[in-house]
Parts: sequence; structure tokens; C-alpha cells
Amino acid sequence: QLQLQESGPGLVKPSETLSLTCSVSGGSISSSGYHWDWIRQPPGKGLEWIGSINYSGSTYYQPSLRSRVTVSVDTSKNQFSLKLGSVTAADTAVYYCARREGVWFPSWGQGTLVTVSS
Amino acid sequence: SYEVIQPPSLSVSPGQTASITCSGDKLGEKYACWYQQKAGQPPVLVIYQDTKRPSGIPERFSGSNSGNTATLTISGTHAMDEADYYCQAWDSNTVVFGGGTKLTVL
Repeated sequence: QLQLQESGPGLVKPSETLSLTCSVSGGSISSSGYHWDWIRQPPGKGLEWIGSINYSGSTYYQPSLRSRVTVSVDTSKNQFSLKLGSVTAADTAVYYCARREGVWFPSWGQGTLVTVSS
Repeated sequence: SYEVIQPPSLSVSPGQTASITCSGDKLGEKYACWYQQKAGQPPVLVIYQDTKRPSGIPERFSGSNSGNTATLTISGTHAMDEADYYCQAWDSNTVVFGGGTKLTVL
């Protein structure tokens, strides 16, 4: 059974870079046909898609975040990562990693809360 | 950019049918899917490709998508169905989520 687990700092200072890693078990991140995505949810608010990477390294980003976001993959560790630069309090959210099949997400991590504060 | 709109809230009595709508320009020409999210948990996919139910999702959950509106229908709503529901579509290489609908069963 596929499992995804987010990890990274729970507190980031304003203007710094948020860095998270998603560890994948029960399946290979190199499998064709899947995308590996990041989604966030500010406290008490809805879901916002951040971006994705596929098995060949092609990336897609939310237009409003494109200038600050990088999603990358490390196939040797079966992990993919998120970097979000120049963070502000508005970037405080629960960050989820997920595997996308086609256009839907059947598999999600449990999520990790990242707070942006000095 | 593409948007899909959901009503913020819906109330239904136990045993009744809940219909949650998701509206977007020519949404019927795209695939819609739906997620259920309970407090403190990640979303769970309940409908994909407009009408399909993943394994383990009860038959009382069904979906449709035509014109500008996708609909999630919960027939014979249970108290355990109280949750936030999000629709999601795909447009121009981006994932689009609706704002979510809080379903109250009372």
C-alpha cells in the first residue's frame, strides 16, 4: 500500500525558504503515469494546489506561486521535495504531499503544519 | 485563471439526500472529482472521473457532471458524512480546487 510522509521544519522565519520532503513507500517514485504533487491548506481555509513533478522530471506550478516554488525529485531516496522562497505569514498552512493519477488524488500524506513567524 | 465555485455550506437531515454543486465554465467538458475532509485529517477521494467511486467508498456517494455543473450526491446521508467536501478539476496544466462546502447533518 502506498504511503506518503511529509517532513521538514515546523517553523520558518519570514523572508526565508520553506523546505519540505515527502518520503514515498510502497511504490516507486519513478513509476510512469503518476505525478507527485504538493497541496496546502491554511488554517480554517480550503485546499490550494502548489505544484507537481512527474517521473520524467517535468514540473507544473500554480501560476500565482511559480516565481517562488521549486519541486524536485530524488529517485535514489524515493522522495520528492518542495522549496518555497520568500515566505510570509500568508504561507502558514498544513502542507500535504500526494500522488496524482490522471487528474485526481487517491493518495495523500497526513500533512505537516508549517508556521511562518519570527 | 479557471475557477470552480461551491456553496460554502449545506445542511441536511439524517437519511435525506445531500446534493453539493460545483460550478465552472464548461466544467462538463473536464473531469471533476470530489474529496471528503474531516477535521484534522487529509482529504479522501470519494468520486473521480465525474462518476466513479474508489474502492471502499459507500454506494450512497455518487457524482455527475454536465454543462457547467458537477454534483456530488449523498443518498441517505449518515451522521458520519458530516465533513467538508471539495470539488477539483484540471485546466491548462493546473489543478483547481473549489472553496469547499461544509456539510452539516442534523
